[in-house]
Amino acid sequence: GQNIDQPTEMTATEGAIVQINCTYQTSGFNGLFWYQQHAGEAPTFLSYNVLDGLEEKGRFSSFLSRSKGYSYLLLKELQMKDSASYLCAVDHDYKLSFGAGTTVTVRA
Amino acid sequence: IAGITQAPTSQILAAGRRMTLRCTQDMRHNAMYWYRQDLGLGLRLIHYSNTAGTTGKGEVPDGYSVSRANTDDFPLTLASAVPSQTSVYFCASSDSAGKPTDTQYFGPGTRLTVL
Repeated sequence: GQNIDQPTEMTATEGAIVQINCTYQTSGFNGLFWYQQHAGEAPTFLSYNVLDGLEEKGRFSSFLSRSKGYSYLLLKELQMKDSASYLCAVDHDYKLSFGAGTTVTVRA
Repeated sequence: IAGITQAPTSQILAAGRRMTLRCTQDMRHNAMYWYRQDLGLGLRLIHYSNTAGTTGKGEVPDGYSVSRANTDDFPLTLASAVPSQTSVYFCASSDSAGKPTDTQYFGPGTRLTVL
């Protein structure tokens, strides 16, 4: 089976930086996705890492270490609209296994 | 409008009844997926289809069946609903299975309550 762990909840202040960690133990690893999901809505794609290192996309960055089974999503210059759940998903055998998600609350 | 549609938006169902959740995409994606999302458990794959005419079992397939008669539609059927199938169901599609960089796009979800 697949084992994907991420913190349940995080709280941060508007304008701050938050780092969401994800550790995984899976077979047939092809890459790792991060999705954002606002309450009551569908998940939407944020980032994809297949090689080790940092991928930067505006205020959001994602890091992967395949040897350590570890990834993080970095959210910078937090805005109120960033309050959402962030889902770590491992692509194995061309199917996705998701972590339970991290709910980020941004406070003014 | 391009994307994925699901119907119904929500449904309350008596246990033992048969129910089909509909999913249609207009992006001509080859691969389609059904997930359920439960609090504290995240999204779990129920069934998938890599191309029209083929289907496969995901992590939690018991009690569910799917068919893929054409590229656009991927209905999910609960033959005899049970309360443990109360969940939010998401359909997703991607351009082509077997390519690691293909992003999955999700429909708006169906909230199902089985009493």
